[in-house]
This record gives sequence, structure tokens and C-alpha cells, in this order.
Amino acid sequence: AQSVSQHNHHVILSEAASLELGCNYSYGGTVNLFWYVQYPGQHLQLLLKYFSGDPLVKGIKGFEAEFIKSKFSFNLRKPSVQWSDTAEYFCAVGTGGFKTIFGAGTRLFVKA
Amino acid sequence: EPEVTQTPSHQVTQMGQEVILRCVPISNHLYFYWYRQILGQKVEFLVSFYNNEISEKSEIFDDQFSVERPDGSNFTLKIRSTKLEDSAMYFCASSEARLAGGVPYNEQFFGPGTRLTVL
Repeated sequence: AQSVSQHNHHVILSEAASLELGCNYSYGGTVNLFWYVQYPGQHLQLLLKYFSGDPLVKGIKGFEAEFIKSKFSFNLRKPSVQWSDTAEYFCAVGTGGFKTIFGAGTRLFVKA
Repeated sequence: EPEVTQTPSHQVTQMGQEVILRCVPISNHLYFYWYRQILGQKVEFLVSFYNNEISEKSEIFDDQFSVERPDGSNFTLKIRSTKLEDSAMYFCASSEARLAGGVPYNEQFFGPGTRLTVL
């Protein structure tokens, strides 16, 4: 069965620290890869996406992610987090059947 | 910028009652989806809809659920007899969804959600 695993459920960082959130998926075919963010009380917003081409994708707000096909991974990174990055982050995988499977989410809390 | 809209933002209902959640997808999109997120849990796929029929559904989407595109703009999710465990945030999404060189391009745009509370 297709699945998405996010390694950390809760992450606490201080401002200016670097962030890396892990994401692995299990699916043998071609995938679309996404990271969504959900700020407290708000709906899902797309941070970045990968469809094809350069495996290093840059998104909004200084986030980037790298697709490593051999590891079935799509980790999210940000070199220096801010208090305003406090949110829940979801990795998601779109398969050829056009449904999107979400990971369980990682709650990030950034201390000011 | 076009966006997916959902109404109502919050629905409270009694157990056993029917509810209809409404969504207006982005106008040129052809694929429509419903997801739900139980409080504190992950977002779960419910159903996808294309060309006036369900293209894929999860095991959550049982006979109590149905979807419909009653006109050219709305996309609805109906829960026939709500249960306490149906309490969740329900997200609608839409996408263009196309294939290019065998690669699917399916960025889904999400609405703000409807919070359903079943008492």
C-alpha cells in the first residue's frame, strides 16, 4: 500500500536554527511530491512541489526540498527558521491515480 | 488569484442527521477531491471525482458518503447519517491534473475547510 512517513512528530527549535524535516514514501511509480504548511487555525497552503526535473526545489518563505529517488525521500529544509514558521508541516505524495497521500505531519515550534 | 471556496465554515449537527458540505472548485479544474482531518490527526483522502463520476475512493468513504456535482460550479459531499466520529475538518480540493510525457502533474488546490461537529 502507498504510504508517506514523516520522521518527526514534534520539533522544537530556536530562531535562526536550521531545519530539516524528513519524509519518505512508498510507491514504485512516478510521483508528484509536495510539502504543505498549516498555520494555527488556518488551512493547508502549498510550500513547494516537485513534478520532474531538478530534484532540488525551492519554495516560498525560504524553504527548499530535495527529492532523492533512490531513497524515496523528499526532505524539507530551511537554513534559518523564524518564530513565524511555527506550524504543522505535511509531506504529501501524488500518485498516477491522482489522489494525494499525506504524511502524519510534523508540528514545528520555533522559540523566539 | 482563483481559489477553492467552501461553505459553511462550521457546521454543527446532531448524530444521525444528514449534512451536505459545499465546495466551489477553481473554474477550469476538472478533478475534484474531498479530504478530512480529524482533530490532531493527519489529512486523509476520501474521494476523487472526474467527469461526473468517482475515480477513486478510500475505505473511509463508505455508503454513508456520497458526492455530487449538481451544477457547473458546485461540488458537494453528503453524509447521510452522521456519527460522532465524523467530526472533523473536511477539505475540498481541485486540480487540472494532466499527463506530460508520462509524468502526472497534479497540484491540488485546497479550500479553507468546513469544520463539522457532530453532537
